[in-house]
Amino acid sequence: SQTIHQWPATLVQPVGSPLSLECTVEGTSNPNLYWYRQAAGRGLQLLFYSVGIGQISSEVPQNLSASRPQDRQFILSSKKLLLSDSGFYLCAWSEAGSTDTQYFGPGTRLTVL
Amino acid sequence: AQSVTQLGSHVSVSEGALVLLRCNYSSSVPPYLFWYVQYPNQGLQLLLKYTSAATLVKGINGFEAEFKKSETSFHLTKPSAHMSDAAEYFCAVINTGGFKTIFGAGTRLFVKA
Repeated sequence: SQTIHQWPATLVQPVGSPLSLECTVEGTSNPNLYWYRQAAGRGLQLLFYSVGIGQISSEVPQNLSASRPQDRQFILSSKKLLLSDSGFYLCAWSEAGSTDTQYFGPGTRLTVL
Repeated sequence: AQSVTQLGSHVSVSEGALVLLRCNYSSSVPPYLFWYVQYPNQGLQLLLKYTSAATLVKGINGFEAEFKKSETSFHLTKPSAHMSDAAEYFCAVINTGGFKTIFGAGTRLFVKA
């Protein structure tokens, strides 16, 4: 069966510090991968998606970036965090070539102080 | 462009009462529609999905939703609410020709004893 992992589960970072969040998927090949942000009391905002290694599409211009160094690894990064980067970050995957169901990871709670 | 509107950011029901969460969508082509549930500090979990088969879709935990093309609606219902149903619910639609799922803003369900 497929599983998706995210780490860390929680993170508290000062403004201006770098960020690296990691997401890995097991039990499937060449999945579509997604990063979402959920701010307090708000819905999901799609940040990035990837349909293959090295293929990243950005939805919202901001100080975040994403990379996919391996087939089932998706990394969200920032060089300098802003207060507005605080939120709940969710990674998700869907089957290769399919725009069907997305399967979500447990999320990372990021607080920028 | 496709969009999803969830009517009511908060819904409160008594335990044992009917649950009705409203979702209207906008799509230029027959859509795929989804309901996801999110428990506090967790990722999203698929409740049910409509992919152009039967218009009445049954999901997990006793939930069901009916696709009504004439009303562009996909409302989520459950005959009898349980305390464990308290969570946030998201309606979603897949965009045309892409890999992106468009999520509604979410409806938080409160269940009173």
